[in-house]
Amino acid sequence: KQEVTQIPAALSVPEGENLVLNCSFTDSAIYNLQWFRQDPGKGLTSLLLIQSSQREQTSGRLNASLDKSSGRSTLYIAASQPGDSATYLCAVRILDSNYQLIWGAGTKLIIKP
Amino acid sequence: EAQVTQNPRYLITVTGKKLTVTCSQNMNHEYMSWYRQDPGLGLRQIYYSMNVEVTDKGDVPEGYKVSRKEKRNFPLILESPSPNQTSLYFCASSSSGATQIYEQYFGPGTRLTVT
Repeated sequence: KQEVTQIPAALSVPEGENLVLNCSFTDSAIYNLQWFRQDPGKGLTSLLLIQSSQREQTSGRLNASLDKSSGRSTLYIAASQPGDSATYLCAVRILDSNYQLIWGAGTKLIIKP
Repeated sequence: EAQVTQNPRYLITVTGKKLTVTCSQNMNHEYMSWYRQDPGLGLRQIYYSMNVEVTDKGDVPEGYKVSRKEKRNFPLILESPSPNQTSLYFCASSSSGATQIYEQYFGPGTRLTVT
């Protein structure tokens, strides 16, 4: 059964730092992996989607990588800003008839001004 | 604007009083799903729908019903709500191909409290 783990559960860093959030999954048979952002009391915003055949995707200050063989993805945030404070979730779309998304528990990120 | 909408955004109700949470998307997506989010448990899928008139159970379907009569709408029905259904609910949609589901878009969430 696919399991998705995100480490650390929480992270607090000063503004301006580059940082890396980690996501690991136990079964490499995936369709894709998606990173989301969730602000308190709000919905989920899709940040980046990496197809299983891709190695990385970039959007602005965000870069997500995927290493299927090792079951890992990282989300790199460059030059962090207080507005980046949110919970970041990763989810993998698994290869079964349900096309189910399996979710990590998230990393709560706080960027201190 | 491409979006997934949910109504109501907040709802407080009493045990046993039937309720419906509506979900609508304007992106012509085939795939729609409902999730609940609870502290410490993360997001769990309740039901999903691959297309019109096709629905199936997710991980936690007990106590919920759905219907997909039109492509754009996917309402979540709680016939007899109980306090353990107090949660934050999200509707989501994706386009899909023969063997692929693409980027998932989420609604803003519905915070339900059952007393």
